[in-house]
Amino acid sequence: DTAVSQTPKYLVTQMGNDKSIKCEQNLGHDTMYWYKQDSKKFLKIMFSYNNKELIINETVPNRFSPKSPDKAHLNLHINSLELGDSAVYFCASSQVKGSEQFFGPGTRLTVL
Amino acid sequence: GNSVTQMEGPVTLSEEAFLTINCTYTATGYPSLFWYVQYPGEGLQLLLKATKADDKGSNKGFEATYRKETTSFHLEKGSVQVSDSAVYFCAFPYYNQGGKLIFGQGTELSVKP
Repeated sequence: DTAVSQTPKYLVTQMGNDKSIKCEQNLGHDTMYWYKQDSKKFLKIMFSYNNKELIINETVPNRFSPKSPDKAHLNLHINSLELGDSAVYFCASSQVKGSEQFFGPGTRLTVL
Repeated sequence: GNSVTQMEGPVTLSEEAFLTINCTYTATGYPSLFWYVQYPGEGLQLLLKATKADDKGSNKGFEATYRKETTSFHLEKGSVQVSDSAVYFCAFPYYNQGGKLIFGQGTELSVKP
């Protein structure tokens, strides 16, 4: 059983399009996160939800909007995609904030 | 501010060589410390952790000790294998900001047969 899953694994799209990435965790964790990994492998937090409530919203363009329909799911919607959005996006979850996080396999987004 | 500094990569070693990847951190308080590993094309996996000063985390032959005095958490392995080739990240959770992980820049390890 996959603990943290993401779909799709690869996403290739044109500039200006709108796309969504979905994340689900079956660990019963309360907190979920989105991270962005750039081409140099650097990881940066984007958002975090705790029990469906937004608790972290880093300096991210408002074209990015997270949504948590329940505590097992955290989706990421991106409007008006730009070339600079090309990256690998990771979802993660933790039992409580401050404990270790479990990561999904990542979604590689390529904007052409 | 809160940060993690890792030794620059890439690190290239021969099989069975000794590995050290340095990690130092600047943190408020004494958070848990983690090493994550990212194999090519995969997500991050927790490799080991330590939750308080002088704790030693270990897994798959890797070890790291939480050193409060030197604010370090260096990763070591006595004899690396080709299958250890990956990117290694040192990290800690920033509790006052939702527990987000503060990551080092990652160190790429390549092990040659």
